[in-house]
Formats: sequence, C-alpha cells, structure tokens
Amino acid sequence: GNSVTQMEGPVTLSEEAFLTINCTYTATGYPSLFWYVQYPGEGLQLLLKATKADDKGSNKGFEATYRKETTSFHLEKGSVQVSDSAVYFCALPSGGGADGLTFGKGTHLIIQP
Amino acid sequence: DARVTQTPRDKVTEMGQEVTMRCQPILGHNTVFWYRQTMMQGLELLAYFRNRAPLDDSGMPKDRFSAEMPDATLATLKIQPSEPRDSAVYFCASGFRGLAEFFGPGTRLTVL
Repeated sequence: GNSVTQMEGPVTLSEEAFLTINCTYTATGYPSLFWYVQYPGEGLQLLLKATKADDKGSNKGFEATYRKETTSFHLEKGSVQVSDSAVYFCALPSGGGADGLTFGKGTHLIIQP
Repeated sequence: DARVTQTPRDKVTEMGQEVTMRCQPILGHNTVFWYRQTMMQGLELLAYFRNRAPLDDSGMPKDRFSAEMPDATLATLKIQPSEPRDSAVYFCASGFRGLAEFFGPGTRLTVL
C-alpha cells in the first residue's frame, strides 16, 4: 500500500516566522494528497488537498504543492500565529483498491509569542 | 454547521468489560470510518462502511472488536472484552467517495 513520511516534531517557532513541514510519499500512480490539522482535544480537520501533480492546495494561509518529481507535498505558511499551534498530518489514500487514508505520524507545531 | 458527533467523549473501564462507542456521521455522507490513535502507532484505520455496508475491517482485532452501522445516523464500535492495550483515542469520520473529510472529536478510552 501507499505510505507517507513526515518530519518529526516538535517544531517550535516564534510568531510571524516562516513554516515548512516536510512530507514525502510512496505511492502507485498519482493519488490525491492531503494535510490535516488536529487542535488540542479535537478531531482532525481537513486543511487542504491537491488532486494532481503541480496542483497547489491552500487554506487559512497554508499552502502545499504536489511535486511528483520529488514525491513531496510540503506544508508552508509565510507568517505563523500562536493559534496555528497544533499537530499536522500528511495523508494519502491507502491504495490497493481500499478506501481510507494512510496518515503520517504527525508533526507537533508550537508557536511562541 | 454539520459535524460528526461521538459519544462518550471519555471512557474509563476495567479490563474485561464491554465498551461501546457511538458515532453520528454527517447526514448524507455515504462513507463512515473508524480510526484509532495512539502515541506509538499514530492513526490506524480500523474499519469503514459505505452506504452502511461494511467494506473493510481488516484493521481490527476480529476476536474482540466489532463495528456496525444499524442505520444511516448511527455507527458503533464495540470492544468485548476490553484490554489495557486498547487504550487509545477512537475517531469516527465521514465523507463522500472514500474520503474521510470530517472527523468527530474522538472517544478517549482508558482500560485499567
């Protein structure tokens, strides 16, 4: 099946810093790619997605570009806020004809004022 | 604002007891998923349903876990008997066309 690797955390940044969270994947074909966010004590929320190569997903100031050449889908934000503190998950379809997503381990982001 | 709801939010029980977790998916969504989250394993897909029919439960320990969807507004996950290694946060998610787009808040299960 498909798999995803994302950078380990925690990642600690100051407010207004530039954010990059790396994500690379292994998959058959060119599946859709996703970023989810989990705030403390809550379930996951779909943050953004890209459905084909070179697509850019964006939401709430976050962006990620589907790069098939490097099999990557890195999450970026130009100026982070304290409210962005959360755990971020990269995900893709599990593959093999099955529904459901395979998630990375998650990256805990801590933004300090 | 449509949401996936889960009950209970927290459950503490003793080893050997039966645990039932409930999920109300968003009305109209045709796919419902059960995931488990632990620090060691991360997020694992346990089972999912499409149009209420179970399609895959290969992620569940068959001898003790069971998942059902008695109607379009209710999905259940049952553990009998529960064991300490089942302690985790269990998430229900719903969506269309196989995408788990909306997650519930989770049930935090602690088995003593």
